[in-house]
Amino acid sequence: AQKITQTQPGMFVQEKEAVTLDCTYDTSDPSYGLFWYKQPSSGEMIFLIYQGSYDQQNATEGRYSLNFQKARKSANLVISASQLGDSAMYFCAMREDKTGANNLFFGTGTRLTVIP
Amino acid sequence: DAGITQSPRYKITETGRQVTLMCHQTWSHSYMFWYRQDLGHGLRLIYYSAAADITDKGEVPDGYVVSRSKTENFPLTLESATRSQTSVYFCASCPALLYNEQFFGPGTRLTVL
Repeated sequence: AQKITQTQPGMFVQEKEAVTLDCTYDTSDPSYGLFWYKQPSSGEMIFLIYQGSYDQQNATEGRYSLNFQKARKSANLVISASQLGDSAMYFCAMREDKTGANNLFFGTGTRLTVIP
Repeated sequence: DAGITQSPRYKITETGRQVTLMCHQTWSHSYMFWYRQDLGHGLRLIYYSAAADITDKGEVPDGYVVSRSKTENFPLTLESATRSQTSVYFCASCPALLYNEQFFGPGTRLTVL
């Protein structure tokens, strides 16, 4: 079974609007971390936001927020006030803490296009 | 502040050749990782290392070898390259267990003809 599922291969959003990128995860580990990374066309992986499984509040970083719904095993990324520079691939990832390995499992990504 | 670097950035090789991709980080991070990125698969872990001289397999280790004699370096070797190893390879690091970010290098685009 896939540990991370991103069901939206591509999304479009109007500039200045908000957009939600979906991510669901599958783990039996009670302790885990959830990450979002941005990959622009230049190819580098840019860290956006992190949510720990025991964090009580949803993580926020500037225009990025993570809508963490533990019971539903979802960790959607919300980007507010979209900008043209937000056009990129977005990857959701999970770290399972019981393994002690620290490695990340990635989803297949969502390509976001911001329309002027 | 060089951070994490990878070399070469682009490489074209032929089937059966040995290729080594280099990864160097200046932060003295304990953990280092190699991922490969392929269309439709996202990033998948090849190998990781928790410290110098400690390495372990990830999800897709076949055909790859790693070593880590120094904390700052984590080379990845394809002993006999195959076309299926054509991919973009990312090295990453983080300072400690359960850290809330992994820091990625710029990637190496490898083509095996």
